[in-house]
Amino acid sequence: KAGVTQTPRYLIKTRGQQVTLSCSPISGHRSVSWYQQTPGQGLQFLFEYFSETQRNKGNFPGRFSGRQFSNSRSEMNVSTLELGDSALYLCASSLAVGSGGTQYFGPGTRLLVL
Amino acid sequence: KQEVTQIPAALSVPEGENLVLNCSFTDSAIYNLQWFRQDPGKGLTSLLLIQSSQREQTSGRLNASLDKSSGRSTLYIAASQPGDSATYLCAVRDGSSNTGKLIFGQGTTLQVKP
Repeated sequence: KAGVTQTPRYLIKTRGQQVTLSCSPISGHRSVSWYQQTPGQGLQFLFEYFSETQRNKGNFPGRFSGRQFSNSRSEMNVSTLELGDSALYLCASSLAVGSGGTQYFGPGTRLLVL
Repeated sequence: KQEVTQIPAALSVPEGENLVLNCSFTDSAIYNLQWFRQDPGKGLTSLLLIQSSQREQTSGRLNASLDKSSGRSTLYIAASQPGDSATYLCAVRDGSSNTGKLIFGQGTTLQVKP
C-alpha cells in the first residue's frame, strides 16, 4: 500500500507570493492533518480535515488555509508569504479522527521564502 | 495547555549500548502517545503507538512505556546501531477523541558511533 505522498517536495518562493501544497493520504484514510516544522518552533499543528470538513485548527494566521476533497486528498495554501514561513510542511493521514490509530506522515514539502 | 518535553536534547553513544529516551507531558488526559523517528530533511516514521490504557509496546529492539499518571514515557533502544542515528520525537494526542491533533516534543537527536 502506498504511503502518504506530498507534492511538490521543494519550493522556492519570494515574499508576498502565494503557494499551494498537496497531500494524498494512504488509500482508505479519511483524516488528514498538516504540520509546520521549523528549527526554532519544532512541529506545530496547522489544521485537520475529515470528510471535507475542517475539524481542528492551530494557532496560525488566516494566511494559512486548507481544504479536503471528496477523495480525501488535501491542499494547504499560504498567501502573502513571509520569510518566517520557510519551513518543512508535513501532512499526516489516519483512518478517521476518532480511530485512535497511528498517524502516518508524508516526506514533507520544504518551502523556502526569499 | 499541554506541553511535551524531551530530555536529553542530544545524545551520543557507542554502538551496542542500550539507551533510554525520555518524554514528559503536563496534562495526563491524553488519548495516546506516539514515538516517531526523523532522519535529516525527511518526514516522520512512526515507531510505536501506546494507547492511554496501555503500559508499554514493543517492536523489535524498541520498547516504549507509558505512565500516564506521572506524565512520562520512555523509549528504550536495545543494542544500538549506527543506523539508529536520527532524531526521535514523541507526540501526545489530545484527550478528546474528536481530534487527531498531535502535540510534539522538541526531539532527542541520537548519534550512535561505530
